Amino acid sequence: GENVEQHPSTLSVQEGDSAVIKCTYSDSASNYFPWYKQELGKGPQLIIDIRSNVGEKKDQRIAVTLNKTAKHFSLHITETQPEDSAVYFCAALLFSGGGADGLTFGKGTHLIIQP
Amino acid sequence: EAGVTQFPSHSVIEKGQTVTLRCDPISGHDNLYWYRRVMGKEIKFLLHFVKESKQDESGMPNNRFLAERTGGTYSTLKVQPAELEDSGVYFCASSPFFGTGSYNEQFFGPGTRLTVL
Repeated sequence: GENVEQHPSTLSVQEGDSAVIKCTYSDSASNYFPWYKQELGKGPQLIIDIRSNVGEKKDQRIAVTLNKTAKHFSLHITETQPEDSAVYFCAALLFSGGGADGLTFGKGTHLIIQP
Repeated sequence: EAGVTQFPSHSVIEKGQTVTLRCDPISGHDNLYWYRRVMGKEIKFLLHFVKESKQDESGMPNNRFLAERTGGTYSTLKVQPAELEDSGVYFCASSPFFGTGSYNEQFFGPGTRLTVL
């Protein structure tokens, strides 16, 4: 089955700096890669996703890059703000024509934005 | 529109007892998923319903766990008897089903924190 590794487990950056979280996956057939943000007391919330036919996707201060050859994808947050502090999870999925199945998640990165 | 809701938010039980967790998906969402996060580890998939049918239950740890979704609306996850290693946060997620060939975002509930003493 799929296995997702995520690094680092904790990341502390100064407000205004950039943050990068990296994930690798094992199943080359996986074709959907979402990133979730979990704030205290809440469930994970999708912030951005990318499909295997795209190398990069950007949404305001957030971007995700995908390297299918290396089986590696990353989340980039620029101009970090205090409200970016949270736990971030990457995930992978082999989405087939039979419908959507369960996501395989990384262990999470606790992002701390220092004022 | 109301999001995915889960009840209870916290549950503390003793080893050997039974606990039932409930999930109410977003109205109209046919896909319903259960996940679990054990302390410090990844969020792991448990099972997937399409309406009232179990589509994939490959992630269920053992036969002490029973999930149901009668009528294709809310779902329950029962743990009987509970063991220490069952402690963790149980998440429910839902998504709409627009037929095969489509993927739709999974919306997560706030989770139920289960502590087995």
